[in-house]
Amino acid sequence: GESVGLHLPTLSVQEGDNSIINCAYSNSASDYFIWYKQESGKGPQFIIDIRSNMDKRQGQRVTVLLNKTVKHLSLQIAATQPGDSAVYFCAETYGGSNYKLTFGKGTLLTVNP
Amino acid sequence: DAMVIQNPRYQVTQFGKPVTLSCSQTLNHNVMYWYQQKSSQAPKLLFHYYDKDFNNEADTPDNFQSRRPNTSFCFLDIRSPGLGDTAMYLCATSRAGAGNIQYFGAGTRLSVL
Repeated sequence: GESVGLHLPTLSVQEGDNSIINCAYSNSASDYFIWYKQESGKGPQFIIDIRSNMDKRQGQRVTVLLNKTVKHLSLQIAATQPGDSAVYFCAETYGGSNYKLTFGKGTLLTVNP
Repeated sequence: DAMVIQNPRYQVTQFGKPVTLSCSQTLNHNVMYWYQQKSSQAPKLLFHYYDKDFNNEADTPDNFQSRRPNTSFCFLDIRSPGLGDTAMYLCATSRAGAGNIQYFGAGTRLSVL
């Protein structure tokens, strides 16, 4: 099961730098992964997804990398902006889970101007 | 335009006083979810509806109930809120099937005094 803690991992970057947020997932049967962005006081917002038959997917300023061998997922944000400051969650699911997502712990990204 | 709408955004209730949170969606998705999210933690699934079929998570307290009168609406009823139920409650929807994105509402922040 996922670990639960009172303190989120944090990442602090300068505006304009690239950010890399990492996520280790637990279930080797997971075949679909989603990254969500959650700003303070708001619900999670879909950013990008990737299926297990891919190892890389690009969106606008974001790239997700999937390494199934080590069960690792990363989100890369190019030219990070102050509006990117938020908590980022990875989530995993698989066909036998009845459409349920399992969320990772989350990472707090702070962008310094 | 908001596609998953939660009301109210903020709710204060007294210990033991029943409270109902509502969620509506304009996406015509057949799966609706309720999550509980405590401070600095990932969302935790309470239950979900697949069409009219209710699916409770094994560790969801009996104090939490849900109703889905039609495709568009879903309610979370907390029969006797305790102080530990203070949290953000998130509603999400998706189309059924593996690999479908869950879309979240803005959440209801519940405070139990």
